[in-house]
Amino acid sequence: AQSVTQLDSHVSVSEGTPVLLRCNYSSSYSPSLFWYVQHPNKGLQLLLKYTSAATLVKGINGFEAEFKKSETSFHLTKPSAHMSDAAEYFCVVTAGREGNKLVFGAGTILRVKS
Amino acid sequence: GAGVSQSPSNKVTEKGKDVELRCDPISGHTALYWYRQSLGQGLEFLIYFQGNSAPDKSGLPSDRFSAERTGGSVSTLTIQRTQQEDSAVYLCASSLGAAWGGEQYFGPGTRLTVT
Repeated sequence: AQSVTQLDSHVSVSEGTPVLLRCNYSSSYSPSLFWYVQHPNKGLQLLLKYTSAATLVKGINGFEAEFKKSETSFHLTKPSAHMSDAAEYFCVVTAGREGNKLVFGAGTILRVKS
Repeated sequence: GAGVSQSPSNKVTEKGKDVELRCDPISGHTALYWYRQSLGQGLEFLIYFQGNSAPDKSGLPSDRFSAERTGGSVSTLTIQRTQQEDSAVYLCASSLGAAWGGEQYFGPGTRLTVT
């Protein structure tokens, strides 16, 4: 069965410093992987997705993630954190018939200190 | 264009009552999904509709939960005889199709509180 593990439930960084949110996946076949962000009282928004093309994926707001099959990882990074990045981030893998289900990680809450 | 809309945004109900939650997907999107977000369980898949195919109900937690999609557009999630553990945010999403890696667009959710 497909699953994702987000290694940190909370991450705290200072504004202007790099962000690293860690995700490991488990899949019996080549997965599609996503990162979604959820700001307080807002809906889920897609940050970026990997679908077996380039292993380094660039998303919105300066975020990027690298698919590493050998490490079964899909970590999310950003070179310089901004206060507006404070939110909850979800690593997601597709599962089920035709990839119709999204399996979510437990989420990582990112706090950005001024 | 308009995104996925859900109504009501908040619903408070008494234990044992039935509730209906509505989802209007993005126009033209053939696939529609329901998820549940709760403190104890995180984000869970509930059910999926794709065109005229039989829905994938594998995520529904009990037979008190059901969903339908009329005319390939609007969907209603019904919870019968609500229990306190049903309290959660119910999220609807839609996508152009069911192809692997297709982006799902989420609505703002309905926050259900069962008292």
